[in-house]
Amino acid sequence: GAVVSQHPSRVICKSGTSVKIECRSLDFQATTMFWYRQFPKQSLMLMATSNEGSKATYEQGVEKDKFLINHASLTLSTLTVTSAHPEDSSFYICSASRFESGDRNEQFFGPGTRLTVL
Amino acid sequence: DAKTTQPPSMDCAEGRAANLPCNHSTISGNEYVYWYRQIHSQGPQYIIHGLKNNETNEMASLIITEDRKSSTLILPHATLRDTAVYYCIVRVDSGGSNYKLTFGKGTLLTVNP
Repeated sequence: GAVVSQHPSRVICKSGTSVKIECRSLDFQATTMFWYRQFPKQSLMLMATSNEGSKATYEQGVEKDKFLINHASLTLSTLTVTSAHPEDSSFYICSASRFESGDRNEQFFGPGTRLTVL
Repeated sequence: DAKTTQPPSMDCAEGRAANLPCNHSTISGNEYVYWYRQIHSQGPQYIIHGLKNNETNEMASLIITEDRKSSTLILPHATLRDTAVYYCIVRVDSGGSNYKLTFGKGTLLTVNP
């Protein structure tokens, strides 16, 4: 159980276009979803945290108008990179969290989406 | 947030135990130690977590020192598929049922044949 999928796995787009990435929790309801970005040879950087039905909380330095996050249901969150530029090329990873009693509150990660902006 | 320090890289022979250290000297009493790993070009994978006591599951063992200032992840019989970057993370509780994971640079474990 606790499988998270992302779609697409790879996307190549032209500069100035918008790209939407989907993150789905396949077999559980995710109270919270997280979006990370990872540049080559670097670690994951948290971009934003989103709760179902409410606005996302963005980390410092992340432009909320450029990276639009929608968490419309307990199983789906989307990240839209608007007016993408080459510097937005990166590996985007989502994770989903479900609340459980006690100390268990794991994050389950998706396989990632490789975005290349030409 | 408690920060962690890990060696940038380690090597291990296939079939031997891999012991990955992590220092978290500023950890507070209610913070957990989590371990994740990331195989190249994949999303991170949860391995194990603990608070005070040593923990073991089907993947690994976690040894936490009594003062909780450091821990060691043990892969008892490393295989080539265990080659990955291993992240030691101290969990931040950002309120309610939500929490953030702050990833450091991790340790690149290379398992050699």
